Amino acid sequence: NAGVMQNPRHLVRRRGQEARLRCSPMKGHSHVYWYRQLPEEGLKFMVYLQKENIIDESGMPKERFSAEFPKEGPSILRIQQVVRGDSAAYFCASSAYSRSGNTIYFGEGSWLTVV
Amino acid sequence: SQKIEQNSEALNIQEGKTATLTCNYTNYSPAYLQWYRQDPGRGPVFLLLIRENEKEKRKERLKVTFDTTLKQSLFHITASQPADSATYLCALESTGNQFYFGTGTSLTVIP
Repeated sequence: NAGVMQNPRHLVRRRGQEARLRCSPMKGHSHVYWYRQLPEEGLKFMVYLQKENIIDESGMPKERFSAEFPKEGPSILRIQQVVRGDSAAYFCASSAYSRSGNTIYFGEGSWLTVV
Repeated sequence: SQKIEQNSEALNIQEGKTATLTCNYTNYSPAYLQWYRQDPGRGPVFLLLIRENEKEKRKERLKVTFDTTLKQSLFHITASQPADSATYLCALESTGNQFYFGTGTSLTVIP
């Protein structure tokens, strides 16, 4: 009964490179959320996706960041031309439904370090 | 925009005592409020959900209250243990089914 799986757990990128973070939701879950957490800060909402649809990307930076959740395969958070300020922990969460009162389940996170 | 505030300072308590954590929110009227636990280097883990029409919810040594008039939730851990040491996050669900989190309160239970 696997939970939310994220990989890689740790990723080091040089400035200007691309970072791709993957998230496989819990079995049976079709809703995925991405959050960013900086040291000593809370979880910041980035994007909410369902299969093949972006429902809300109001928390995503306008440039360099994109997310997808294809019909087959994991959800991908892509950061192009990374900068030092992108260094953070990126958490993915999933849920089975979109109705109110739902619980979301988190993965263990992907720690991105930009050098 | 909605704002969620939790105890900004770390909370240190003696083992066996009751820990009380606070979550205040503004510009928002959530139907549900949730509490999560996060350990260093790990993802948040769901603990409890409370609905707006529920004043109190309990689960083992955990108790959550929800006062929609004060716009506040209190999270209590009774008979605290060192293993309860972690950061605790409150989360509100928006009308669009996104979840917004507070900054968390770091709890340390001293043996």
